[in-house]
Amino acid sequence: KAGVTQTPRYLIKTRGQQVTLSCSPISGHRSVSWYQQTPGQGLQFLFEYFSETQRNKGNFPGRFSGRQFSNSRSEMNVSTLELGDSALYLCASAPGGNQETQYFGPGTRLLVL
Amino acid sequence: GQQLNQSPQSMFIQEGEDVSMNCTSSSIFNTWLWYKQDPGEGPVLLIALYKAGELTSNGRLTAQFGITRKDSFLNISASIPSDVGIYFCAGLPLITQGGSEKLVFGKGTKLTVNP
Repeated sequence: KAGVTQTPRYLIKTRGQQVTLSCSPISGHRSVSWYQQTPGQGLQFLFEYFSETQRNKGNFPGRFSGRQFSNSRSEMNVSTLELGDSALYLCASAPGGNQETQYFGPGTRLLVL
Repeated sequence: GQQLNQSPQSMFIQEGEDVSMNCTSSSIFNTWLWYKQDPGEGPVLLIALYKAGELTSNGRLTAQFGITRKDSFLNISASIPSDVGIYFCAGLPLITQGGSEKLVFGKGTKLTVNP
């Protein structure tokens, strides 16, 4: 069974631009969560989608948004990028609603210049 | 919001030594999880703990769910070079804002093993 895949793996953007990251969950998994990982703050929860509905949201500004498609693939969008948005963005999928059963993808490394 | 205090931040040990790291919180957690993250990869679940006092092993790894439900520790025995990585604790709080469960992560313990 293929694992969680994320594209692109690396991305360089400049301040003010927007970016869209993609996550393909493990086949059959309906829950997709997104996390931001930085050296200073560690792993911070962004949001979770289940069956195309946002079920949970972390404490991030509205510039961070996401969506989930009917095939459970998910995208995350960050608008008006700031330098502080430079981070590793991790996606995790789970079969159902239990976050403790989630599997992480390798992440997308975003650098904002 | 809930926070997990993970310590130590980093460890430098010799191959063969045992390692211990822990996470504490002022809040009660329902579930404790321990993950390992290798460079360039996402975290991988090592051990999950669901009951206060529970002690669970996975090979050379042993983790315990504290009886107060506010802490957990992870031990690695007889470390080997491939144990290198960042270890994270994570917990599901007993009570979450909005009524939905959200995993809370510690900031990680970076382990270096010298051969």
